[in-house]
Amino acid sequence: SQKIEQNSEALNIQEGKTATLTCNYTNYSPAYLQWYRQDPGRGPVFLLLIRENEKEKRKERLKVTFDTTLKQSLFHITASQPADSATYLCALDKQGSGYSTLTFGKGTMLLVSP
Amino acid sequence: EAQVTQNPRYLITVTGKKLTVTCSQNMNHEYMSWYRQDPGLGLRQIYYSMNVEVTDKGDVPEGYKVSRKEKRNFPLILESPSPNQTSLYFCASSLRLGQGYEQYFGPGTRLTVT
Repeated sequence: SQKIEQNSEALNIQEGKTATLTCNYTNYSPAYLQWYRQDPGRGPVFLLLIRENEKEKRKERLKVTFDTTLKQSLFHITASQPADSATYLCALDKQGSGYSTLTFGKGTMLLVSP
Repeated sequence: EAQVTQNPRYLITVTGKKLTVTCSQNMNHEYMSWYRQDPGLGLRQIYYSMNVEVTDKGDVPEGYKVSRKEKRNFPLILESPSPNQTSLYFCASSLRLGQGYEQYFGPGTRLTVT
């Protein structure tokens, strides 16, 4: 069956360090993968998109990698700040056609301590 | 300001009393979707709409109805709410289905059914 797994429910790191979150999937062949940020009680907010033919994408302090062989995406936040504390969700297109609906992982809660 | 709005934001109701949660977007998006979010289960899609008068079931459609009579509105209807529909509900929209277009989420509606 299809499954999306995001690493550990919570990740605690110190301010200034790099946070690395993982998104593993099985029995999917997504055409693209997205990352969202969600603050408590609020709707998710889109951060980055990476397509299957792209190895890496960057946006300011954020970096996403996509390894279709390992069926894994890594999401990095460099020089992390307490304001980065939130839950991060990965999402991928369900049928791999690029034109299907999104399936979301359960998310990883990131806590950045001062 | 580009946004997705939902009303009400909070609702406490009793089993069996029909209710409607409204969703509206001002970005002329074709695609709209409803999700519910529960602890440990993540975001799950209820229904989606690719355009006016075109709707389809998501992963957990039982007990819900939707309609898309206008492009900007996508109400979620619970004909006979039950306690297992207590959840946090999000409406989302994007320019089109799939193709990696980012989804814009509303602020959420917290529903409690007693």
